[in-house]
Amino acid sequence: ILNVEQSPQSLHVQEGDSTNFTCSFPSSNFYALHWYRWETAKSPEALFVMTLNGDEKKKGRISATLNTKEGYSYLYIKGSQPEDSATYLCAFKGGSARQLTFGSGTQLTVLP
Amino acid sequence: EAGVTQFPSHSVIEKGQTVTLRCDPISGHDNLYWYRRVMGKEIKFLLHFVKESKQDESGMPNNRFLAERTGGTYSTLKVQPAELEDSGVYFCASSLLREGNSPLHFGNGTRLTVT
Repeated sequence: ILNVEQSPQSLHVQEGDSTNFTCSFPSSNFYALHWYRWETAKSPEALFVMTLNGDEKKKGRISATLNTKEGYSYLYIKGSQPEDSATYLCAFKGGSARQLTFGSGTQLTVLP
Repeated sequence: EAGVTQFPSHSVIEKGQTVTLRCDPISGHDNLYWYRRVMGKEIKFLLHFVKESKQDESGMPNNRFLAERTGGTYSTLKVQPAELEDSGVYFCASSLLREGNSPLHFGNGTRLTVT
């Protein structure tokens, strides 16, 4: 059983604040790490697919880094806006698993 | 491009009844996945089709669940007979390449409530 842990579980920030959260995964036999954004009543939407140690990806105000040797990825949001409010999911593929294992998500609320 | 569509969006059935969920993936996506989120927990894998073949069904909870993808286009997931613990949100996703290599495109999910 693979453990994919996300922290914090939930987070409230003020509009304009920058924030970050963590996804931890097994550091052996890494294959890929995905980040998804999931707004209430909508479908999860892919943000990034990361495959190489040291990868840094950016999409607008959102960026992510990857450290496969120590088994973590950070997601950063710069200048949070109320529309960034969502649950952010990471999913890991590695080891002997043939499919993605999802974390429980970080629920972000950006207060105006 | 049309996204992944799922039907119905909600279903409320009684214990012991049968329910069939449908998923239409993005056209051209050979890979189709079913996932489930139960009681606010993490999204868990159920099974993976490549075209019409079941590539991995290791996540299917028991033989009350049957998934098909005839012709390699849309897929159905049938639960028969439904039990209370089957309640949750069932997601379908598709991808161009096998998961891990390319992002999953999710549908909006079917919220199943078994009473």
